[in-house]
Amino acid sequence: QPVLTQSSSASASLGSSVKLTCTLSSGHSNFIIAWHQQQPGKAPQFLMRVDASGSYNKRSGVPDRFSGSSSGTDRYLTISNLQSEDEADYYCETWDTETRVFGGGTKLTVL
Amino acid sequence: EVQLLESGGGLEQPGESLRLSCRASAFTFKTYAMSWFRQAPGRGLEWVASIDNSGYTSYHADSVKGRFTISRDNSKNTLLLQMDSLRAEDTAIYYCARIWTAVPHTDSWGQGTLVTVSS
Repeated sequence: QPVLTQSSSASASLGSSVKLTCTLSSGHSNFIIAWHQQQPGKAPQFLMRVDASGSYNKRSGVPDRFSGSSSGTDRYLTISNLQSEDEADYYCETWDTETRVFGGGTKLTVL
Repeated sequence: EVQLLESGGGLEQPGESLRLSCRASAFTFKTYAMSWFRQAPGRGLEWVASIDNSGYTSYHADSVKGRFTISRDNSKNTLLLQMDSLRAEDTAIYYCARIWTAVPHTDSWGQGTLVTVSS
């Protein structure tokens, strides 16, 4: 079963960029992951999926400021031109035949 | 727009039972696999259970196996979670979610229903 690892927190200034990382466990480097955003007090919301080649597919309505990429077992979510509403928890998710797994989440603070 | 509306949460004592429902609308429910997730207060997201589109195949997390049962009624566009032998550690917001077809990631979430297990 895959394991996902995320840093617990990140911070960046308003208008700058930030790159969040989700690391897959060894032996799972070909897995696709999904990124979800959870704003304070709200339900999670799917942002995009990212595959091993770095190709990503966003949910309709997700701003162009959000992009995805990959390198080895790492999957990335990059947010450019940070806005105050981007302050949220970000979770990565993956799956196999019988289970679904989340990373511990990264709390993003916009300074 | 996909709509998922959970109901059935509340306060229950340890050892008791609760049944959650999730009413789906604005998409063809019977063609999608579905899942339940939960989030304990101040904690991250945890997968609880998943079921295929037909309802014949389901999977449950080890933490709930033997106590919780996921099911669905495609004639009523409804996803269910029967929760038996509740424990204090089951206290959480429970979310219903849709699984995308071609690439099975979670693509839509409900607003959640709070379950509190306490004496």
